[in-house]
Amino acid sequence: QVQLQESGPGLVKPSETLSLTCTVSGYSISSSYYWGWIRQSPGKGLEWIGSIFHSGNTYYNPSLRSRVTISVDTSQNQFSLKLTSVTAADMAVYYCAREGGAARPTPFDYWGQGTLVTVSS
Amino acid sequence: DIQMTQSPSTLSASVGDRVTITCRASQSITSWLAWYQQKPGKAPNLLIYKASSLESGVPSRFSGSGSGTEFTLTISSLQPDDFATYYCHQYNNYSQTFGQGTRVEIK
Repeated sequence: QVQLQESGPGLVKPSETLSLTCTVSGYSISSSYYWGWIRQSPGKGLEWIGSIFHSGNTYYNPSLRSRVTISVDTSQNQFSLKLTSVTAADMAVYYCAREGGAARPTPFDYWGQGTLVTVSS
Repeated sequence: DIQMTQSPSTLSASVGDRVTITCRASQSITSWLAWYQQKPGKAPNLLIYKASSLESGVPSRFSGSGSGTEFTLTISSLQPDDFATYYCHQYNNYSQTFGQGTRVEIK
């Protein structure tokens, strides 16, 4: 059974960088699929942030592209999110998830439980 | 970006009711549409992909239809476990977007 678990600081100061890691179990990231980050805030609903393939190939939400970096560590079976220059608008529950395909964008079939990130000084 | 608009935002229904939720895309997404169910404090759960294909393990009372810009999710006979929020999700291109959600509440 594929399982994903987010980890990282739950509190980030304004203008600093949000960093989260997703650890995958039950499936080897290096085998296939895209792996993504999605966030959910009360004001904006679900928002796709970006996705990465095991090769390191990425694609990002155009509205966040200038601040987002997603990377993969196949040796640890993890992938990570960095979001720079955060503001209160970035406060949300952040989910990692697996896209159910590799050839093109596909729906997310496995999700982590989500982690709440608060932006406050 | 492709905008996804769901209606209604909230729907009140009773157990046993037939429920339909609509999702409209701002441009054609052919059949690249998914539906998710989300319960409070939980991650979304994939129900339908490619507009009408039922994800494995999802009860057959859930069905999806549509193509192009208009799509529907139907629950044929609402069960107590179905009271939740439902989201559509377009994955037509490399800029995925979600609808704003439809909350199904007990009448």
